[in-house]
Amino acid sequence: EVQLVETGGGLIQPGGSLRLSCAASGFTVSSNYMTWVRQAPGKGLEWVSVIYSGGSTYYADSVKGRFTISRDNSKNTLYLQMNSLRAEDTAVYYCARVVSYDGSPDYFDYWGQGTLVTVSS
Amino acid sequence: DIQLTQSPSFLSASVGDRVTITCRASQGISSYLAWYQQKPGKAPKLLIYAASTLQSGVPSRFSGSGSGTEFTLTISSLQPEDFATYYCQQLNSYPLTFGGGAKVEIK
Repeated sequence: EVQLVETGGGLIQPGGSLRLSCAASGFTVSSNYMTWVRQAPGKGLEWVSVIYSGGSTYYADSVKGRFTISRDNSKNTLYLQMNSLRAEDTAVYYCARVVSYDGSPDYFDYWGQGTLVTVSS
Repeated sequence: DIQLTQSPSFLSASVGDRVTITCRASQGISSYLAWYQQKPGKAPKLLIYAASTLQSGVPSRFSGSGSGTEFTLTISSLQPEDFATYYCQQLNSYPLTFGGGAKVEIK
């Protein structure tokens, strides 16, 4: 059974750093594309970042240069390192598995339950 | 960036109603569109991908259509468990973007 469990959220001051983890089971993270999506309180979904099985990464402009997506193959875990956090980064962060048939993402089929990040002084 | 505009953003419907939600893209995205359902406090759930392909396990009352810039999600006969917010997503180009959502509530 495919399962994704996010951890690492919490309350952090503006300018601070946080690392989110997404532990996967039922499939191999390194063989798949993986992504992070966030949702601010009461708002819609916002794509954040993706990592390809080959290691290529892409980011939303709103987080480029501040966030880094990575994975640990030995732990079958996806990460999101978030630096220089701002109030507008406050959101529930979801990790998801990405299905790709021809090299580009086609859809997100499995999602974790999300972890809340609150950036506030 | 490709903008996705969903309409209506809110609709009130009764059990058994046929419901249609539209998603318009600011430029052509072929069929690189997915639909997700989200209930309060839960993660999104994939319903439709490639504009019209039903995800395994999703009831057949859900269907998707369209290509290019205009897409629709149809629920043929609304069930109590379908009251939720629905999002479209384009995967044609980066940054990947979602529509603003369409909340379906009980009339």
